[in-house]
Amino acid sequence: QVQLQESGPGLVKPSETLSLTCAVSGSSVTNIFCWGWFRQSPGKGLEWIGSIYHNARTYYHTSLQSRVNISLDTSKNQFSLQLTSMTAADTAMYYCARCRVGAGPRYSDYWGQGTLVTVSS
Amino acid sequence: EIVLTQSPGTLSLSPGERATLSCRASQSVSSNFLAWYQHKPGQGPRLLIYSASARATGIPDRFSGSGSGTDFTLTISRLEPEDFAVYYCQQYGSSPPITFGQGTRLEIK
Repeated sequence: QVQLQESGPGLVKPSETLSLTCAVSGSSVTNIFCWGWFRQSPGKGLEWIGSIYHNARTYYHTSLQSRVNISLDTSKNQFSLQLTSMTAADTAMYYCARCRVGAGPRYSDYWGQGTLVTVSS
Repeated sequence: EIVLTQSPGTLSLSPGERATLSCRASQSVSSNFLAWYQHKPGQGPRLLIYSASARATGIPDRFSGSGSGTDFTLTISRLEPEDFAVYYCQQYGSSPPITFGQGTRLEIK
């Protein structure tokens, strides 16, 4: 059974960098899938942040591209998100997910439960 | 970027009734690459439908997807108590970027 679990700080100060990790079990990050990060701001819908393929190719949302980095750690079977220059607008529930691959990332078939990140001094 | 508009924003129905949720795209979705998710508080989204009409593994057959081009529909034939949640459509035909609709809240009447 595929499971994903997000971990990281629940509170980040403005201008700091957010670092989140997604631990994967039941599937290898080197299998032919992609691994993505999403978020949901309070009272809003889902937003795609970016995805990384099994071969480490990355795709990022253009609105966040200058601030985001997603990486794989094959030794720990996990992947990570870094988001720099955090502001209050980045306060959200952050989710990781496994996605199917194509010319670009496709749909996500397994999701973590999410981790709440608040940006505040 | 393809914009997805879901309607209605909120749907109030009773268990046993039929639910019809709509998702309209600002331009044609390539290869009908559209998915539907169910989202409940405290949980990650759950994949229901991909490629507009293919049910994901383990999804009951009361859930069905249809449509093509710019107009897509998720139908729940007979609502069960556990079906009351928020539903999102997502397109991946013009990925990246992946884009989502704003969601339809299905609530108990």
